[in-house]
Parts: sequence; structure tokens; C-alpha cells
Amino acid sequence: SQTIHQWPATLVQPVGSPLSLECTVEGTSNPNLYWYRQAAGRGLQLLFYSVGIGQISSEVPQNLSASRPQDRQFILSSKKLLLSDSGFYLCAWATGLAGVNEQFFGPGTRLTVL
Amino acid sequence: KQEVTQIPAALSVPEGENLVLNCSFTDSAIYNLQWFRQDPGKGLTSLLLIQSSQREQTSGRLNASLDKSSGRSTLYIAASQPGDSATYLCAVTGAGSYQLTFGKGTKLSVIP
Repeated sequence: SQTIHQWPATLVQPVGSPLSLECTVEGTSNPNLYWYRQAAGRGLQLLFYSVGIGQISSEVPQNLSASRPQDRQFILSSKKLLLSDSGFYLCAWATGLAGVNEQFFGPGTRLTVL
Repeated sequence: KQEVTQIPAALSVPEGENLVLNCSFTDSAIYNLQWFRQDPGKGLTSLLLIQSSQREQTSGRLNASLDKSSGRSTLYIAASQPGDSATYLCAVTGAGSYQLTFGKGTKLSVIP
């Protein structure tokens, strides 16, 4: 069966510090991978998605970047965090089958920027 | 641009009651619609996926319907239990897209 991992589970970082969040998927190959942010009162916002190694699409201009160095690894990064980067970050995967796209989510990372 | 709306934003019901959660979307050109459950501080759990060609899907006490032409979906929960308390999210995948557009959710409280 498929499993999706995220770490760390929680993170408190000062403004201006770098960020690296990691997501890995087990039990599937060539998944589509997604990063979402959930902020209070704003719902889930898609940040990045990837359909293959090295292929990243960005949905929202922002202070963050994403990379996919391996088939089942997706990393969210920032060089300098802003207060507005605080939120709950969720990684998700889906099969690459067009028109199916049932997405499965990881446990999330709670990021607080102080 | 696709917009997804969920009404009500919060709902409180006594245990054992049947209930309906509503979801509407503005663009009927969708591949599918997915219902999720989110417990406080946790990730999302997929409950049901309805393809655009389907009218409904069932899993245990849950039944989701889809009326694509009118841009509506409902999630029916039978014989509600306190363990059903959570936020329920509806999301659609637009035709030709890999992206999910989410509603803001309905927070359900089932009172023992």
C-alpha cells in the first residue's frame, strides 16, 4: 500500500531563516506530487505541483520554491522566511492517470515563523 | 476561475441524526470531485471520489452525489456518530488539469 511521509511535523523558525520541508511517498512510482498551504480562514492553497523529476509548476508567486530530486521525493524550500509563510503545509500525491487524480495527503507540517 | 463553496460553514447535530453537507462549484467542466475529512491539526483523509461520468459513490455510512450540470454535490452521512466530528472538505479537479480546487469546508460537530 502507498504511504506518504512529511517531516518535520512542527517547526518554529525566525523571520529571515531558511526552510526545507521534505515529503516522500512509498509504494508507488511516478506519482504526481503537490504542495499545499492551509492558513487560518483561507482554505487550502495549491503552491506547487510536479508530474516528474525536475518538473515543477508554481501556482502562486511567493517566497517559496520546490524541487523534486527523486521520483518520490518533493522538497519545499525558502531562502528567507517571512511572517506570512506561517501555516500548515501539506504534501499530496496522485497517480499520473489523466482524469483520475484522486489525491492522498500526508500528515502535514505546522510552520510558525516568529 | 473555478470557485468551490461549502454551506454551511459549521453544523452541530445530535448523535444518530442523518445529515447532508453541500458543495457547489462554478465551472461544470470537471474531471472529478473528491470529499475529504480533516481532523484538527491533521492531514486530509480521502473519503470518496466521484468521476464526472458518475452520479454517486457510497462508502459505508457515506454517500456522495454529483450533479455536474448544476454544479452541485452533496455528502450524506447516515446515523451520525461523535467520531464523525471533523471538518469536511470538497474539492474538484478541472478538466484538463491536475489541480484540485478546494472549498473552505464544513465543520461538523456530532453531540453525544
